[in-house]
Amino acid sequence: QSALTQPRSVSGSPGQSVTISCTGTSRDVGGYNYVSWYQHHPGKAPKLMISDVTKRPSGVPDRFSGSKSGNTASLTISGLQAEDEADYYCCSYAGSYTFEVVFGGGTKLTVL
Amino acid sequence: QVQLQESGPGLVKPSETLSLTCAVSGYSISNGYYWGWIRQSPGKGLEWIGTIYHSGSTYYNPSLKSRVTISVDTSKNQFSLKLTSVTAADTAVYYCARAGIQLWSGGFDYWGQGTLVTVSS
Repeated sequence: QSALTQPRSVSGSPGQSVTISCTGTSRDVGGYNYVSWYQHHPGKAPKLMISDVTKRPSGVPDRFSGSKSGNTASLTISGLQAEDEADYYCCSYAGSYTFEVVFGGGTKLTVL
Repeated sequence: QVQLQESGPGLVKPSETLSLTCAVSGYSISNGYYWGWIRQSPGKGLEWIGTIYHSGSTYYNPSLKSRVTISVDTSKNQFSLKLTSVTAADTAVYYCARAGIQLWSGGFDYWGQGTLVTVSS
């Protein structure tokens, strides 16, 4: 069981927007602005899409955006494209008792 | 361009030690940033194993801490992973990655291609 909870799957048609949620607790997502999101195509290395809740690395399309409210972080992908179909993972620092990094279980995005 | 490349045996026997090395090019580990290991078991999600700084400071996943050692060799610009007493549950694709310039911040921005390690007799 993953420390962060993500929906197993989401889907959308080309051009639409989808949002993937990532729910944790006050000791991880809610307690720190250290949430990151990764796009993972099977057989390839994961790719950083968002860091520190809202920061988009150079080269990542501005169709990808991140946000957080309380213990839930979200990744929104607007203007869906076929190449966006992949697995997406959220990740957060988890402090308080131990110093560690936790991942969500992953969400499969299907572009219809 | 920062590049990372994992290397090590693809097959390890149960109860033995898994050893992997991550060679870094395009950036000197001594210049900063934290570096980490992440794995993905078949059909499962990503799991953080641990993070190291060039000074040797380490942070480990509490669930693996008793079996994990991550070390750094700045002269070779590489860092390594050792996981002892492996079982079939340790079968996974192992990735090395660059973490943030500040601890816990910045995410993992550069990744190796990953190497599959199978634990089997």
